[in-house]
Parts: sequence; C-alpha cells; structure tokens
Amino acid sequence: KQEVTQIPAALSVPEGENLVLNCSFTDSAIYNLQWFRQDPGKGLTSLLLIQSSQREQTSGRLNASLDKSSGRSTLYIAASQPGDSATYLCAVNNNAGNMLTFGGGTRLMVKP
Amino acid sequence: DAGVIQSPRHEVTEMGQEVTLRCKPISGHNSLFWYRQTMMRGLELLIYFNNNVPIDDSGMPEDRFSAKMPNASFSTLKIQPSEPRDSAVYFCASSLAQFAEAFFGQGTRLTVV
Repeated sequence: KQEVTQIPAALSVPEGENLVLNCSFTDSAIYNLQWFRQDPGKGLTSLLLIQSSQREQTSGRLNASLDKSSGRSTLYIAASQPGDSATYLCAVNNNAGNMLTFGGGTRLMVKP
Repeated sequence: DAGVIQSPRHEVTEMGQEVTLRCKPISGHNSLFWYRQTMMRGLELLIYFNNNVPIDDSGMPEDRFSAKMPNASFSTLKIQPSEPRDSAVYFCASSLAQFAEAFFGQGTRLTVV
C-alpha cells in the first residue's frame, strides 16, 4: 500500500526566503505526482503535475522535482511571500489505479 | 469553466438523518472522485468513477455510504443514516482522463450532531 509522507509538518519563514518542501513515497511504481495548495477552509488548488518520466516542472516561482527511484519529490518556492502561506500537499497517482494518495501536508507560514 | 461545483458548502444535520452531497464536475472531464478530509486521517479517497461507472469504491467506509453518477455532469454522495464520526470536509474532484491532473471543488463541510 502506497504511503506518502511530508516533512516538515509545519514551517515558518521570513518573507523573501527560498524554501524547500519535501515529499516521500514508499512505492516507486507511480504514474505521476501532483502538488496542491490548500488555503484554510478552501479546496485544493493544483500547482504542478510531474509525470513519472519527468525530473522537474516549473511554474513561476515554483519548481517541483521528482526522483522516482528514491521515492522523493521536492517543491522549491523562490523568494517566498506572505501570500504563499497555506498548506501544501503532495499526492501520487499509482500505476495500479487512477487514484491519488495524499501526504499529510506541510503548513507554511511566511512572515512579513 | 467554473471549475468543480459542490453543494451545499456547509451542512449541519442530526445523527440518524440522511445527507446528500452534490457535485458537478468540469465539463468534458470523464473521471470523478470523492474524497474525505479529517484532521486525524487527512485526505482519503472514498470512490472514483470513470465515464460514469464506479471503478473503485474500496474507500467507502461502510454500507451507510453510497455514491451515484447518473450522467457525466452530476454525482451524489449519500450518507444514510449519518453519524457524528462522519463529520468531515467532503471534496469532489474531476480530471480530463485517467491519470490526468485532478481539479478539486471547494468542498462540503459536514457536521453531524
């Protein structure tokens, strides 16, 4: 059974810092991996999707990398802003079925 | 497109009552998912449909839960009878195809008292 872990569970940084969020998964037989953002009381917003054949994806200040063989992904946020404060979730889609398995999330606070 | 639309946004009901949650996926998407989010267990998949057909319902907690997708633009998740432990945020998501990027609705916050 796929298990997804995100470390740290919470992170607080001053504005302007570059930061890295980590995601690890136990079964490397994945089809793709998706990073989401969730604001309090809101739904999930898709940030980036990386196919298993890709090493990274970029969108603006966000860069996500994938090392499938080691079961790891990172989300890099450059020049963090208070508006980046949210919970970030990673989810993997296994080859065996069309369903996302989620990590517990990292709650990020960027202080002005 | 307006995105995935869920209703109601909030539902408070008494234990034992029937609860129906509704979802309209993004037009043209042929995969639809129901997830539940709690503080203790995080996000869990309940059931997913492909082309309106239930493919995997192994995450449905028990027989009190049922889901239908009568057509490509509408799905329901029903809980009957509801219990306090069903209190959670229920999300619906859709994707264009199997294994494609998933888009989530705003969720329904269910409180069973």
